Amino acid sequence: DTAVSQTPKYLVTQMGNDKSIKCEQNLGHDTMYWYKQDSKKFLKIMFSYNNKELIINETVPNRFSPKSPDKAHLNLHINSLELGDSAVYFCASSQVLDSLYEQYFGPGTRLTVT
Amino acid sequence: QKEVEQNSGPLSVPEGAIASLNCTYSDRGSQSFFWYRQYSGKSPELIMSIYSNGDKEDGRFTAQLNKASQYVSLLIRDSQPSDSATYLCAVNVGFQKLVFGTGTRLLVSP
Repeated sequence: DTAVSQTPKYLVTQMGNDKSIKCEQNLGHDTMYWYKQDSKKFLKIMFSYNNKELIINETVPNRFSPKSPDKAHLNLHINSLELGDSAVYFCASSQVLDSLYEQYFGPGTRLTVT
Repeated sequence: QKEVEQNSGPLSVPEGAIASLNCTYSDRGSQSFFWYRQYSGKSPELIMSIYSNGDKEDGRFTAQLNKASQYVSLLIRDSQPSDSATYLCAVNVGFQKLVFGTGTRLLVSP
């Protein structure tokens, strides 16, 4: 009965590689998000999709590219990984139509770039 | 820059006491406010949401909102060691965008 799930949980890779993180929600929500939590534990939004349409695109390097094949899935692809990309990446979802905007988070993907 | 400010702590309280966590925000147009609890190595967990001025109670938790003062607080009554975590204040600044504070670390000692 997992609500928001992410794979993989851990990702260790070398600089310059390309990697993807996948997210799925079974809550029936219409909006999904990617957040980055850095080493100082600061949580910052990166992207948001509503019904497969990009609605939030923060100041993020264009090496990061989100893709939403349907409203239950949101993936994050990262090209040419850098040391500074090491962080925990959280996916979240919400149901915007009910105007509450309560966001529910997945378990996170800890990315370590060496 | 729309900001959310929290005292980083740690806030130390004895078991059974009331823990009071505070948050101020800069965007006067914000309409919805949230408290998340995050245990070390885990994801943020939504514990309270509040939209109107005043108090909202849910079990041992009470959220308080004062839009005129741009102030949100979370009270935890009868604090338990299991409440020890980082508490994140989040403010909706529009278009479903949440801005988070840096969090307050709460330590509840037995």
